[in-house]
Amino acid sequence: NAGVTQTPKFRVLKTGQSMTLLCAQDMNHEYMYWYRQDPGMGLRLIHYSVGEGTTAKGEVPDGYNVSRLKKQNFLLGLESAAPSQTSVYFCASSYTVFEGYTFGSGTRLTVV
Amino acid sequence: DQQVKQNSPSLSVQEGRISILNCDYTNSMFDYFLWYKKYPAEGPTFLISISSIKDKNEDGRFTVFLNKSAKHLSLHIVPSQPGDSAVYFCAASPIGSGNTPLVFGKGTRLSVIA
Repeated sequence: NAGVTQTPKFRVLKTGQSMTLLCAQDMNHEYMYWYRQDPGMGLRLIHYSVGEGTTAKGEVPDGYNVSRLKKQNFLLGLESAAPSQTSVYFCASSYTVFEGYTFGSGTRLTVV
Repeated sequence: DQQVKQNSPSLSVQEGRISILNCDYTNSMFDYFLWYKKYPAEGPTFLISISSIKDKNEDGRFTVFLNKSAKHLSLHIVPSQPGDSAVYFCAASPIGSGNTPLVFGKGTRLSVIA
C-alpha cells in the first residue's frame, strides 16, 4: 500500500545540470500534481495532469517540464537547473478534490 | 495576488487548551475548503474539509468553521496535544469548475507545549 512514491528523496545539482523527478502512484488516481514548498511561500503548483497524456501549467511553471505517459507516473523535469529551483518538491494525486490529495514524502533539491 | 491567506505564520498553545488556526480567502468562486497537516520531512496529509453548503464540520478533536460572508474559515483543535505540533495548510477550490487544483495558503506552524 505505497500510495505516492517520489524518487529521489534528495539531490544536489550544479547550475545548468538537468534532472528528472519521478512520481508514481498505485491508487489508480486520474489527477496528479507537482508542488514546490519554499520557506514562507507555502505550496505552489508547478504543473498538473487530469489524466494520462495530459498536462497543464500551474502557478509557477517556468523552468520545468512534465510528462504523463502512463497513468501511474508523473515526471517533473528541470532542463537547466538554477539556484532559484532549490526547494522541496511534492507530488500528489487524487480521484477528485472532494477526497483530498495524497502527497508523496517529497524530494529535497539543492542547486549550487 | 494571494487567494488563500494564513496571516499567522506560527502559533503556540499549551497542551489541553484550544488551538484556533485561521484562514481567509479572496476568490468568491471558492466553495470547497480543506485543511492539511504536515510534519517535518513528510508530505502533507489531509485532515478535514468543508463545503460551502455547511458552516461547520467536525471530526473528533478537529472542527472547521466556515463564514462565507466574511470569506473566513478556522480550524479548532480541542484539546490540543503535543502530537498536533505541525504545519497546517488551508486549501481551497472552486468545486463547480471540476477538478481545478487546490490553492494553498502559506501555512501556520502550530507548537503545542506540554
